[in-house]
Amino acid sequence: EAGVTQSPTHLIKTRGQQATLRCSPISGHTSVYWYQQALGLGLQFLLWYDEGEERNRGNFPPRFSGRQFPNYSSELNVNALELEDSALYLCASSSPTGGEIGETQYFGPGTRLLVL
Amino acid sequence: AQSVTQLGSHVSVSEGALVLLRCNYSSSVPPYLFWYVQYPNQGLQLLLKYTSAATLVKGINDFEAEFKKSETSFHLTKPSAHMSDAAEYFCAVSGGSNYKLTFGKGTLLTVNP
Repeated sequence: EAGVTQSPTHLIKTRGQQATLRCSPISGHTSVYWYQQALGLGLQFLLWYDEGEERNRGNFPPRFSGRQFPNYSSELNVNALELEDSALYLCASSSPTGGEIGETQYFGPGTRLLVL
Repeated sequence: AQSVTQLGSHVSVSEGALVLLRCNYSSSVPPYLFWYVQYPNQGLQLLLKYTSAATLVKGINDFEAEFKKSETSFHLTKPSAHMSDAAEYFCAVSGGSNYKLTFGKGTLLTVNP
């Protein structure tokens, strides 16, 4: 069974540009989570999507946004990129619909975003 | 609100020695606790999780962790370290209406030959 996949693996952008990161969950999983792993800041929760809806977001500005498609894949968009957005962005998925609290989140390999 | 504190950002052990990575949590609701491992340039892999079924949880690669409510701890242990265990380890908590994971800052484990 394929795990969580993310694309691209690496992304280089300049300040002010927009970045789009993609995630495909494990087959049968309906929840997708996004986390940012920045140097010195650890792993921070960004967004949670379930059944196409945004269910929760972390303490990030509105220029971080995303969506979940009918096939449960997800996209994270970061607008007006800033240098401090440079980080590893990890996507995770869980099941079933809505998930049970405590349901295991399975992580993808991440997209490393570098903002110059 | 929930939080996790991992004591020791860097732990170094000899091959064959006991591994002990410390995690303390704070949660106003019954917690679900997780240990993940991250190898260089990779995502996170689940080692084990606690969901109140048993206080001693066994995971992959001979890792285990014990939930101690009175100490609000969930320390990770392995009886004998292997070189392949060198990685960063993260403790995480969820619970209540909180589906997201709140992570500790991680502990980098170095295994010396």
